[in-house]
Amino acid sequence: DAGITQSPRHKVTETGTPVTLRCHQTENHRYMYWYRQDPGHGLRLIHYSYGVKDTDKGEVSDGYSVSRSKTEDFLLTLESATSSQTSVYFCAIRRGLAGVTSTDTQYFGPGTRLTVL
Amino acid sequence: DQQVKQNSPSLSVQEGRISILNCDYTNSMFDYFLWYKKYPAEGPTFLISISSIKDKNEDGRFTVFLNKSAKHLSLHIVPSQPGDSAVYFCAASEGDYKLSFGAGTTVTVRA
Repeated sequence: DAGITQSPRHKVTETGTPVTLRCHQTENHRYMYWYRQDPGHGLRLIHYSYGVKDTDKGEVSDGYSVSRSKTEDFLLTLESATSSQTSVYFCAIRRGLAGVTSTDTQYFGPGTRLTVL
Repeated sequence: DQQVKQNSPSLSVQEGRISILNCDYTNSMFDYFLWYKKYPAEGPTFLISISSIKDKNEDGRFTVFLNKSAKHLSLHIVPSQPGDSAVYFCAASEGDYKLSFGAGTTVTVRA
């Protein structure tokens, strides 16, 4: 358990409305990530953060923004939701494997299922 | 274009037999490879990883093999158990702390 929670777990919204998803971690990790999972695509990186107020784009960042004002919280915002953003969203943190110093890996939260009508 | 490919969307195997999942990649700069397992309505969970300086890593029933010249890795599960029924994702990184994922393979273990 990597101490990651996501809220809400499910959300249904309408096209054009703003939506914010929250990721909260309890272990003070520096790196946090947002992914979306769609059939046939696996998980695709939306945005990531390497510290408070430090964020960067992933491969599918169009239509999304992020903010990180505290180490423990990473927010994903859809400014104006579209039906193409219907997906399952996962947050992740990066930490090292126990006993292994040369590699880090990512651990995921439970996900948020978002439906945009 | 997807840099990590899992060409088999599904795999069915009998309980007790070996499951072999395959993954191909195109980016020669990838130096760290991982496998994740995912149950419905849950987040992916880390299973096993391998660095590009190795060609094999084993953890209990799970073994990952890496063939760098072929840009291919595989995950072996021996013996397969009913709890192994899940979606398995292959992922890779080029040392920049970002992961590229394959589309996943759904494994069904038959009793």
